[in-house]
Amino acid sequence: NAGVTQTPKFQVLKTGQSMTLQCAQDMNHNSMYWYRQDPGMGLRLIYYSASEGTTDKGEVPNGYNVSRLNKREFSLRLESAAPSQTSVYFCASSFTGNTEAFFGQGTRLTVV
Amino acid sequence: KQEVTQIPAALSVPEGENLVLNCSFTDSAIYNLQWFRQDPGKGLTSLLLIQSSQREQTSGRLNASLDKSSGRSTLYIAASQPGDSATYLCAVIGNRGSTLGRLYFGRGTQLTVWP
Repeated sequence: NAGVTQTPKFQVLKTGQSMTLQCAQDMNHNSMYWYRQDPGMGLRLIYYSASEGTTDKGEVPNGYNVSRLNKREFSLRLESAAPSQTSVYFCASSFTGNTEAFFGQGTRLTVV
Repeated sequence: KQEVTQIPAALSVPEGENLVLNCSFTDSAIYNLQWFRQDPGKGLTSLLLIQSSQREQTSGRLNASLDKSSGRSTLYIAASQPGDSATYLCAVIGNRGSTLGRLYFGRGTQLTVWP
């Protein structure tokens, strides 16, 4: 079972460039999440989608946009990358908002 | 706002010891609590999920307890092994208002088990 798949695994961007992080799950889950993980800060929620067609801001949404393309896919876009967005990004999903959550392997992003 | 704290931040023990990791949270309005393991450079692996109505959940050498009213959970690891070395994270899922359906994480306990 693939579970939650994130692409790419690694990316280096120059300041001001844009990119989209892709996430797909094959577990028929309704809820999907994007988190960033920084040393000493733990995991912080960027955006959350409770179901197809809905998205909500998390703790740190500034500088990001999301698209819940369909039930399987939830993408995260950086329109104009900044060095402060250097981080490891994780996508997660759960059947509903109160069930077990599963995480992807992460995307390590460096903005120079 | 939900705050999750994990103590200790780091723990180093010899192989074979039984150990306890602690997690506390400030808002008891939660659906459930989930424990994860994270190996260096990897994603999060789910270990145990405890529903808010449960007191305990077991998987192999792992036992997690939950006291929702006091805002505490513990993860007990029996007979620790070097392969248990990793960072352990706890997360709670809110069940009301702005916390609804969202996971809130502690910063983790970094465990090292030496032979």
